[in-house]
Amino acid sequence: EAGVAQSPRYKIIEKRQSVAFWCNPISGHATLYWYQQILGQGPKLLIQFQNNGVVDDSQLPKDRFSAERLKGVDSTLKIQPAKLEDSAVYLCASSLWLAGGTSYEQYFGPGTRLTVT
Amino acid sequence: DQQVKQNSPSLSVQEGRISILNCDYTNSMFDYFLWYKKYPAEGPTFLISISSIKDKNEDGRFTVFLNKSAKHLSLHIVPSQPGDSAVYFCAVNKGGKLIFGQGTELSVKP
Repeated sequence: EAGVAQSPRYKIIEKRQSVAFWCNPISGHATLYWYQQILGQGPKLLIQFQNNGVVDDSQLPKDRFSAERLKGVDSTLKIQPAKLEDSAVYLCASSLWLAGGTSYEQYFGPGTRLTVT
Repeated sequence: DQQVKQNSPSLSVQEGRISILNCDYTNSMFDYFLWYKKYPAEGPTFLISISSIKDKNEDGRFTVFLNKSAKHLSLHIVPSQPGDSAVYFCAVNKGGKLIFGQGTELSVKP
């Protein structure tokens, strides 16, 4: 079974530039997550999709971050304009979902390491 | 405010001995807890989980203990192997969303 795919693996940009990350979840997984992991910290959820609808985006800095999941499969996360503090690893994860709020284990992709200079 | 805390950033253990990783949480309403393992340049991978209706769950060399009154969980690895060297994150599942601790880097020396 293919895992969660992410690209690019590494990206270096200057502040105020824009950047986009792509994620392809495991086939059949309805729920998709984007996490931000700053060095020395645990991953922090940015946004959660159920199919192509947003379940939780309470921690997404919406003035500069946006995400979409067209057709309920692939997803892109965009930052525009980037700031120095956006330097982090951006992780995509997917999972099955049960009605009633119970979810299965989340499977993570390898992440995209973003450096903003 | 951190809802999940791992107070030890690193741990070094001799091969064959027990590794004990600790995690504290703040909300007594949390009811599902997980441990993830992360190697460099890879995403976290699920290791073991426990529901709040249990106080212990075992899977091979890995055992997770939950102390609800203390709001504390721990991961025991016995015996520790060099391949276990990685960063370990504890997490709580809150409505399908994972809230992670800061991680503990385990180093198992031959």
